[in-house]
Amino acid sequence: EVQLVESGGGLVQPGGSLRLSCAASGFTFSNYWMHWVRLAPGTGLVWVSRIHSDGSITSHADSVKGRFTISRDNAKNTLYLQMNSLRAEDTAIYYCTRSGISPDFDYWGQGTLVTVSS
Amino acid sequence: DIVMTQSPDSLAVSLGERATIYCKPSQSVLCGSNNKNCLAWYQRKPGQPPKLIIYWASTRESGVPDRFSGSGSGTDFTLTISSLQAEDVAVYYCQQYYSIPFTFGQGTKLEIK
Repeated sequence: EVQLVESGGGLVQPGGSLRLSCAASGFTFSNYWMHWVRLAPGTGLVWVSRIHSDGSITSHADSVKGRFTISRDNAKNTLYLQMNSLRAEDTAIYYCTRSGISPDFDYWGQGTLVTVSS
Repeated sequence: DIVMTQSPDSLAVSLGERATIYCKPSQSVLCGSNNKNCLAWYQRKPGQPPKLIIYWASTRESGVPDRFSGSGSGTDFTLTISSLQAEDVAVYYCQQYYSIPFTFGQGTKLEIK
């Protein structure tokens, strides 16, 4: 059974940093593109970042470029999102998700809540 | 960026009746590599992550009831629930995976009338 379990969310002050993790199991992690997608109140779903199966290619949304970095450790079956210079508008539930054979998002974790507030 | 516009924003349908949600990308999402539309539909119930229900605009994900169907091409797409059940109450999103940044519609909230 495919499982994606996020962790690392919490309350952080504006300008602070957090590192999210996503532990994957039930599939060959190193064969898949992985993504982070966030859900903010009143904003809907927003794609944040993606990373190639071997980590060689990454992309980020303009709203987080230069502040967020996606990475992965295929030996540990874990996806990461390093978030720096956090802003109030980054407050959201962050989901780890996988691209299937087609580039849609076929499995999602339960999400981890990030709250940026003083 | 491709803007995905859904309509309506909310919809109330009686049990057993048809529900139709529309999605209009700001440009074609026809993928040249396989001549398929790079569009998916997701269902999100309260307190749960989104769930993939349709991909390639019309292919039903495994395990999704056949009352759900997707259609359309180019810049006009539709998600149809042929006979609404109580468990279908959710917010539905369309999404394009034609180009980065991948973008979602604003969501359509489906309720029981």
